[in-house]
Amino acid sequence: GESVGLHLPTLSVQEGDNSIINCAYSNSASDYFIWYKQESGKGPQFIIDIRSNMDKRQGQRVTVLLNKTVKHLSLQIAATQPGDSAVYFCAETESGAGSYQLTFGKGTKLSVIP
Amino acid sequence: GVTQSPTHLIKTRGQQVTLRCSSQSGHNTVSWYQQALGQGPQFIFQYYEKEERGRGNFPDRFSARQFPNYSSELNVNALLLGDSALYLCASSQGGDSRRTQYFGPGTRLTVL
Repeated sequence: GESVGLHLPTLSVQEGDNSIINCAYSNSASDYFIWYKQESGKGPQFIIDIRSNMDKRQGQRVTVLLNKTVKHLSLQIAATQPGDSAVYFCAETESGAGSYQLTFGKGTKLSVIP
Repeated sequence: GVTQSPTHLIKTRGQQVTLRCSSQSGHNTVSWYQQALGQGPQFIFQYYEKEERGRGNFPDRFSARQFPNYSSELNVNALLLGDSALYLCASSQGGDSRRTQYFGPGTRLTVL
């Protein structure tokens, strides 16, 4: 399938500031998107998801925005904390093609400066 | 949660390896991913109710199976240096991958 990519490979933010991590996808048939957080030595941890019939979804300190017109996804983290330091991946899947795989981008490393 | 064994493994070229995964309670779908250093995970297989539901772009040296208790094994034959990676297992409820996939900690495979 087509790949999901990220605009910025690394991001450094001051503790307490808001973080925005961006993701571009190329498969216009993708209808479900997920953000995962991966800390060093661990598996990816689910953060938040969004379906293609939505353009915004909020969780605890996190918001995902989906712009299907430009095939763009973003993760906003409010009041970034040192524990948010990790690699963040966006992933996408297309439910109607008979394929059930998640396609991941390369990831963005978020570093929080105390 | 999802558990995987072993956590680390060192093999030499040409050998065979079996990785194991126990899915989260109540989950009947298991997916396997390969994550090379500095890259995002790449899909290898998905099993739903013990049947292969999807396969990624990996050679036939890679095979998997799912057991009646929904645990799973990934087998890799004739190991190559390029097979060195973190192998991740994820479980979910239902065959529709839109259901959230929960990942285990992974098995770090090093091929020498």
